[in-house]
Formats: sequence, C-alpha cells, structure tokens
Amino acid sequence: KNEVEQSPQNLTAQEGEFITINCSYSVGISALHWLQQHPGGGIVSLFMLSSGKKKHGRLIATINIQEKHSSLHITASHPRDSAVYICAVPYNNNDMRFGAGTRLTVKP
Amino acid sequence: NAGVTQTPKFRVLKTGQSMTLLCAQDMNHEYMYWYRQDPGMGLRLIHYSVGEGTTAKGEVPDGYNVSRLKKQNFLLGLESAAPSQTSVYFCASTRGDRNQPQHFGDGTRLSIL
Repeated sequence: KNEVEQSPQNLTAQEGEFITINCSYSVGISALHWLQQHPGGGIVSLFMLSSGKKKHGRLIATINIQEKHSSLHITASHPRDSAVYICAVPYNNNDMRFGAGTRLTVKP
Repeated sequence: NAGVTQTPKFRVLKTGQSMTLLCAQDMNHEYMYWYRQDPGMGLRLIHYSVGEGTTAKGEVPDGYNVSRLKKQNFLLGLESAAPSQTSVYFCASTRGDRNQPQHFGDGTRLSIL
C-alpha cells in the first residue's frame, strides 16, 4: 500500500504552459513536503506546507487537509523546470513516505 | 556553505565486500537520515538519527548499519554487500523533526556486482 500517490508519472509540456502535479496521501499529517530532483540527481526542498497555499516565484503549492490532497503548480513553465518533482509526508514519528515522483520535461 | 556532503559519489563493489558511506553536514543539524532510491519507487528510509550517539531503524534497515559518533557525521555501512543493495543512496539532515525542511546530499550511486 502506497501512502503517497502522485500523478501523472510523466509530464511533457511546451515552454510557457501551466503545469499541475498532484499528490494524494492516506495518512494523517502535520505538513507535506514538495521536493525537486534535478537531472543530475541532487534533491532540494521546495515547499513545506500544512494548510492553504504557498508561492515561491513561479511555483505555487496548495494543500487540502480534509481531502488529503496537494498540488504543485508551475506558471509560465521553462525548460529549466525540467526535473522530477516529489511529494513526501511525515509518517510514524521520524519516518517519511515519499511519492514515486513526477518527471516533468518542458520543451522549448 | 557546503551543506550536506556525501562521499564517495560512485562506487562499484563485488558481492560480499563491505564499505562505508560518509555523510557530513555543517549546519549543526540534530536529525540525519539515510535513504535509498530505486527506479520507479520513492525514497525509502534506511536508518536515522535524532542526535549524536543515537540511531534508529527506518523502513528498510536490513543489511545496513549506521553510526553517529559526531553530530556532524552519519555513517552508513554495508557489512556484506548484495546485488539487491544496488541503489542510489541519499543522506539528509534537518534542524529538528519532520516538520522542518530537509537538506539533501548529492547522492552516492552504488553498484553491487
């Protein structure tokens, strides 16, 4: 049983398009994390949110605690946004469960 | 700032060999984690530490051991490597608990032949 499900698995977009990546989870949480994994493999934390919406540049993350769902949006997508986007939720004290990731490719 | 540094970046081992992966952080973080990442799967927690001298098992601890003798270092050991341990290993650290942003190392790609 996967505690965290992401969709889509793969996403290809044209430069400038609006992107939405979805994350659903099955456990009660205090916060949800969105991460970005670069083509070279490095992972960076984008957002941590427990309610509502957060915005950083062209990236927007939203969460609905009641529906156990979060979305990551990218406005005016650019080829440099090409990466794997991962959502994760805390699980059993110090553990964490990660989604399998959404591979985004933005074509010029 | 260096952040989280993992060494080595690549390694090829033969079945049965042993090795140690080193994770070092310079942010004075209390919590440190070791994950493995396999194709088509999310990151999975191997072991973690909530402070110097403490370690605990994560989701997939079998075949691995860890030590946190110094606050800044978290070592992951494979005593007798198996092909199933071929993976990319990531170390991460946080200032506090799971409600803090995680800082990741660049990963170690390990192949067991």
